[in-house]
Parts: sequence; C-alpha cells; structure tokens
Amino acid sequence: GAGVSQSPSNKVTEKGKDVELRCDPISGHTALYWYRQSLGQGLEFLIYFQGNSAPDKSGLPSDRFSAERTGGSVSTLTIQRTQQEDSAVYLCASSWDDLMNTEAFFGQGTRLTVV
Amino acid sequence: DQQVKQNSPSLSVQEGRISILNCDYTNSMFDYFLWYKKYPAEGPTFLISISSIKDKNEDGRFTVFLNKSAKHLSLHIVPSQPGDSAVYFCAASEVYSGYALNFGKGTSLLVTP
Repeated sequence: GAGVSQSPSNKVTEKGKDVELRCDPISGHTALYWYRQSLGQGLEFLIYFQGNSAPDKSGLPSDRFSAERTGGSVSTLTIQRTQQEDSAVYLCASSWDDLMNTEAFFGQGTRLTVV
Repeated sequence: DQQVKQNSPSLSVQEGRISILNCDYTNSMFDYFLWYKKYPAEGPTFLISISSIKDKNEDGRFTVFLNKSAKHLSLHIVPSQPGDSAVYFCAASEVYSGYALNFGKGTSLLVTP
C-alpha cells in the first residue's frame, strides 16, 4: 500500500522481555517519527529521523528505548527489558520534511501490552 | 511538561451545529500548528494546518483560527456531521528545530443526530 505500515499491529509481551516494533514509511519520505500514546494521554514524541542527519532522540523516555533507521527507509524501535508502563500504542509517522509541508502521515500503530 | 493543552477531554454537539475545539500552547517559538483526527484503532490523519504568519485557514467545513498573542488556536467544524465523531489532536512545532510535533491530549468529539 501507499501508506505508512507498522508491524505487528498488536504485541503482548512479558515484563522484562525485549520487543521490536517495525515501521515502513511512505516511499520517498525523508523524515520519520516515532510517537506513543499511553492510555488517557496525548501523543508523546519519542524520536525523529531526518535523512542522513543524526536522529533527535530527545523524547526517548529511558535508555531501554532505541531506534534505528536503515537505508533511510525502514525503522525499528526496540524496547529492552520491557516494563508495564511501556504499555501503549506506538505510532510511526513519515513526512517529506519540507519546510513548506510538515504534514506527517501516520501508521495504524502497534498496541504493546506488557504483562 | 505539556506544551500543548486541550483542556476539554470531550465535546458533544448536535448534527448541523458548529463544533469548536480549543487548544492552548505555552511555547512562543511554535510557528506551525496542525489538527489531526483519530478514529478508534487507526492512526491520526491530518486535517488542517496553519502557520504563524496567518490567523485563519479554511478547508471546506473546517476552519482553524490562530491567536498568537493569546497562544490559542481553535478548530471550527460547520456544519457538524455524525462522521466527524472522533478524537481531535492539536499539534504544534517549531519548523526550524526539527519539526517534531508536540501534541495535546486530544478532545473526543461526539456529533449526535
């Protein structure tokens, strides 16, 4: 499809395990973002990739969280030693990263439940 | 610290009437503002945006108003339709500092027939 694709759509994991969430952005989009939405909260910025520049990791809540973007396309968000407070919907978005257009297109998200 | 605030978690409006969703922000460096609409189990979709050089932007039934001095923006939907029932997120960014969007907590709009 032409949209942002995320997998898996749902993930249930045991506390302490590592998880990987995948995002396939829209082809040609140079900017990629990860956000999360916890229950009853707004969308929380996690990390931002722009082209070949160093990513903006200022939103990552702890060093258990990391993300990579390979070849300027697919991105993986990794959460190590998951905790119950990590349970949330993790959303990926991509955009043209053009000064005239910062509209971001979102995927459907990965619902992570840590039990 | 929440830099974008949507103080009304929910709003109910009758079909055909105007829906007004409000958003306040604290960071005076924000210069680009967007509204996203989110249905259950779907990612947010872009609705309308406005840059800080404008005070109004219209797109069909949707109009966004920006009051920079009050650090306030609002989304007007006229006339409201049942299909508009969704959660609406206000977002803001500093275009020259990486485009990361700061989101409010959302307002759940219910349009009743």
